[in-house]
Parts: sequence; C-alpha cells; structure tokens
Amino acid sequence: DIQMTQSPSTLSASIGDRVTITCRASQSTGSRLAWYQQKPGKAPNLLIYKASTLENGVPSRFSGSGSGTEFTLTISSLQPDDFATYYCQQYTSYPWTFGQGTKVEIK
Amino acid sequence: EVQLVESGGGLVQPGGSLRLSCTASRFTFSRYDMHWVRQATGRGLEWVSGIGAAGDTYYSGSVKGRFTISRENAKNSLYLQMNSLRAGDTAVYYCARAGRDTVTTWGDDAFDIWGQGTMVTVSS
Repeated sequence: DIQMTQSPSTLSASIGDRVTITCRASQSTGSRLAWYQQKPGKAPNLLIYKASTLENGVPSRFSGSGSGTEFTLTISSLQPDDFATYYCQQYTSYPWTFGQGTKVEIK
Repeated sequence: EVQLVESGGGLVQPGGSLRLSCTASRFTFSRYDMHWVRQATGRGLEWVSGIGAAGDTYYSGSVKGRFTISRENAKNSLYLQMNSLRAGDTAVYYCARAGRDTVTTWGDDAFDIWGQGTMVTVSS
C-alpha cells in the first residue's frame, strides 16, 4: 500500500497568511494526487486533482504542485472560510489512501 | 443538483451485519466508478471500497472478506454489505463519485461528489 504522510499535522495561521501543506508518498503516485477540504460535521470537498488542477468553483487562492512522491497545497492568502482540515489522497493504485490530515487553525 | 444520499446506518452489535445504500441523482450513475470512504469520530479519512462502472471491485485490507460493495444501475444505487462487524468499524460512512465519465473519459478519478454520510456504530 502507498502511505501518504502530511506535514504539519496542525498549523496555526492568521488571515492573509500564505500557508503551505506538504504531502509525501511512500512511492511514486505520478500526478494522481488530490486535495480535499473538510469542515466539522461535513463531507470532504474536492479542491485540487491531478496534483495541480483546480476543481471548478474553488477559489484561485488555492494551488497545488508536485509530482512523484512530494506534493504541496498552498493557500496564497488565508481567508476566514479556509479554517478547516485538509487531506491529500493518492489514486494511482489500490487501495486508494489518504494522508492523516492537516488542521488549519486560527492563530 | 448532482447528489448522493446515503442511508442504512445505525447501531449494531459486534459480529452483526448492516447494509448501507447510496442513491445518486442528476447524473448518469452507470458511467461512473463509485467508492465508500469512512471516518471514525475525530479521525482522518479512510478509503474502504470501490466499484468500477464495469463492476470490478476493490477493498481495503481492513474490510476485505467482510464487506461487499455492489451497484444496481437501474436504481442509481450503490451498496455496502457489511458483515462480521467490529468496534473498529464504527464511523461515518460516505459514498463518493470518482469524477471521470468512463464512456467519454472526460474528468478525473478524484472524488468530486460526496454524500452527507451515514453513521455506523458497532457496540454491545
């Protein structure tokens, strides 16, 4: 199984900050990497697919980069609506696997 | 609006069985791969099982041999039959659509549509 490791697990930031979350895979996933945002009590919401493609309707302050085993999700200017937990997911080989999550908190 | 709605969750004793359902609306269900993902309270997301548009099935190691995924395209429905349930299976179970239309091949396999989730509690 491909193990996905996110860092940090928790991140404290202020409105307007640039935020970067890293996701590392135990083996190459090519570009088959997605990022999701989840708020408490809600289902996850797709932000980025194919490592860097923004899902329709997602604000342009979100961006993704990377390939192979190292990926990043960047929020260029943190907004109040962005305080949530973020997960990466590989979908290159079964079983699909998620990172453990990164919680973005208000500083 | 494209939508997935889960049902069938509840309280079940260890060793018991439960069948979850997920009903799709406003898209051509038969053309998409579908998945189940679960989340224990306060924990992260765990992929459980997937079924291709062609009916091929996949399972995580933690549920293989106990859970069975299936689909009924005529009813726009996805199912998860869960047997030999354990306390560790307690979680919210989400169904999710992989966004690639397998006929046109347009889209991507990331999960673009999710249901609201159904709670499964395994306890005596």
